Amino acid sequence: QVQLVESGGGVVQPGGSLRLSCAASGLFLRTYGMHWVRQAPGKGLEWVAFIRYDGTEQHYTDSVKGRFTISRDNSKNTLYLQMNGLRDGDTAIYYCAKDGRAFGDYANWFDSWGQGTLVTV
Amino acid sequence: SYVLTQTPSVSVAPGKTARISCGGKNGASQSVHWYQQKPGQAPVLVVYDDSDRPSGIPERFSGSNSGDTATLTISGVEAGDEADYYCQVWDGSSEHVVFGGGTKLTVL
Repeated sequence: QVQLVESGGGVVQPGGSLRLSCAASGLFLRTYGMHWVRQAPGKGLEWVAFIRYDGTEQHYTDSVKGRFTISRDNSKNTLYLQMNGLRDGDTAIYYCAKDGRAFGDYANWFDSWGQGTLVTV
Repeated sequence: SYVLTQTPSVSVAPGKTARISCGGKNGASQSVHWYQQKPGQAPVLVVYDDSDRPSGIPERFSGSNSGDTATLTISGVEAGDEADYYCQVWDGSSEHVVFGGGTKLTVL
């Protein structure tokens, strides 16, 4: 059974940095693209970033481009999100999510989600 | 940028059918995926690729996509179906994932 566990959230001042991690078990992470999705308090889901299964491509929502970096260490079965230059608008629960298609060239559906980690700016 | 439009709220009596719509500029050409999110919980995939159901999702949940609108249909609605529902696509032109604004389903 796939399990995704996020960590690294917390309280940070505007302009600060945080690094989120997502540890995966029950699957070979290197087979799947991975995503970060966030949800501000009382708001809807917002996609943040996607990384291809082999790490060769990354895509970001416009509001985080140049500030956030998604990466992965397939040997550790772990996904990361480095967040720099944090702003009030980045306050949210951050979820990591697994793409539903193995070896997908682009994003598809999200078939497994972590429980999320709260980032407060 | 690509926008998916959802009705903010839908109410339905138990045992009836709920239909939740998701409008996009080229809905029929995009595969649409649907998620259910209950308060305090992570989202759960309920329909993918317009009409496929993941294992463990009841047959009461079905999806369709025609023209510019995709629809999630929940038949025989139960109290436990009360949740927020989100549609989602991959916009290949912008290389962005897009979520709809969400629909709150209330079971009367």
